[in-house]
Amino acid sequence: QQPVQSPQAVILREGEDAVINCSSSKALYSVHWYRQKHGEAPVFLMILLKGGEQKGHDKISASFNEKKQQSSLYLTASQLSYSGTYFCGTEIAGTDKLIFGTGTRLQVFP
Amino acid sequence: DTGVSQDPRHKITKRGQNVTFRCDPISEHNRLYWYRQTLGQGPEFLTYFQNEAQLEKSRLLSDRFSAERPKGSFSTLEIQRTEQGDSAMYLCASSLPVLSGNTIYFGEGSWLTVV
Repeated sequence: QQPVQSPQAVILREGEDAVINCSSSKALYSVHWYRQKHGEAPVFLMILLKGGEQKGHDKISASFNEKKQQSSLYLTASQLSYSGTYFCGTEIAGTDKLIFGTGTRLQVFP
Repeated sequence: DTGVSQDPRHKITKRGQNVTFRCDPISEHNRLYWYRQTLGQGPEFLTYFQNEAQLEKSRLLSDRFSAERPKGSFSTLEIQRTEQGDSAMYLCASSLPVLSGNTIYFGEGSWLTVV
């Protein structure tokens, strides 16, 4: 039931791009993306509802393909502040809670 | 607009003692969630409330864990007879479901260390 994220870890130089994937075996109603820095709580980034949504703000965007039960988070022109662990939270149709993925650790170096 | 607040932020307790965590959600939010997170893992669902009603409890939640939200506002999570395996960060979150989705906002978390 837990969604699977890939890759497990990414190392980038400032200005490089990255894609993080989230895949579920269950029919999804929505996908939520969070970033968590060490020792802090997860911070909400964006929510995507079923309907093939794409969303973005600044240089971070995401897509949701409900037929494949997959979502991807796109980080372009990465900044040092993007470093952290990214989690997708999936809301299975008919439930009201999020089940979180395994996490992707992103490190951006100057 | 204040966010989700949790208290205490850190708690060290001896094995066998009881501990209680408090969560104050964002004021207009009717849903309140408790999650647990251990190092290197994603948050793990424990339970959630809609107003004062506890609608779901994870099967992972043993009888030693109990949560309440008596007036549909703040919530408490109590762990009785703590064990070393209970050491984790306990996260509270709240939301107000709308047509555009059920965005869930987390508090800063309460770190529990059982020695």
